Amino acid sequence: QQQVKQSPQSLIVQKGGISIINCAYENTAFDYFPWYQQFPGKGPALLIAIRPDVSEKKEGRFTISFNKSAKQFSLHIMDSQPGDSATYFCAASTVRSGSRLTFGEGTQLTVNP
Amino acid sequence: DAGVTQSPTHLIKTRGQQVTLRCSPKSGHDTVSWYQQALGQGPQFIFQYYEEEERQRGNFPDRFSGHQFPNYSSELNVNALLLGDSALYLCASSLGIGDGYTFGSGTRLTVV
Repeated sequence: QQQVKQSPQSLIVQKGGISIINCAYENTAFDYFPWYQQFPGKGPALLIAIRPDVSEKKEGRFTISFNKSAKQFSLHIMDSQPGDSATYFCAASTVRSGSRLTFGEGTQLTVNP
Repeated sequence: DAGVTQSPTHLIKTRGQQVTLRCSPKSGHDTVSWYQQALGQGPQFIFQYYEEEERQRGNFPDRFSGHQFPNYSSELNVNALLLGDSALYLCASSLGIGDGYTFGSGTRLTVV
């Protein structure tokens, strides 16, 4: 079964700190790795995504690091803010599967003021 | 530009009943996917509709069925509801079968 494993389950950081969330996958056919942010009562919103032909992608305070050989990827949130407090999901998909997303279990991030 | 619209936002049903959830995709999108998100879990893929046909299906029983209309809107039907069907049901739309999904805010279904 295709799985994406995410850690930690919950994370508490101080304002201005760095939040790091990790994911590992099994299916080497995955070719698209997005991160989603979800606030209570809302659907997931695409935050940033990467394809396996690059090892890092940065958009503002958010960076994805990708290690193809280890089958791992991570989200780094620099200068974390209280407004970043949300649940974060990593996901993976393949074009061959019609781009259906396989999600991780989620990480609840709390940024204290 | 409206995003993905789902209705209703909340729903309470009795075990054994049937339910229909509705989704209007983002303007310009023609593909609709449905996901089930149990409390504290990541979304699980149910199925995907493109050109009014079911293109992909996840590991869900036949009690879960859907439909896509010519205007690209979609319905998710669940028959013979079980307590375990209680979840947030998310609709996601995209242009073609590709990346770049936009999710709706979901329908919270509670089965009692």
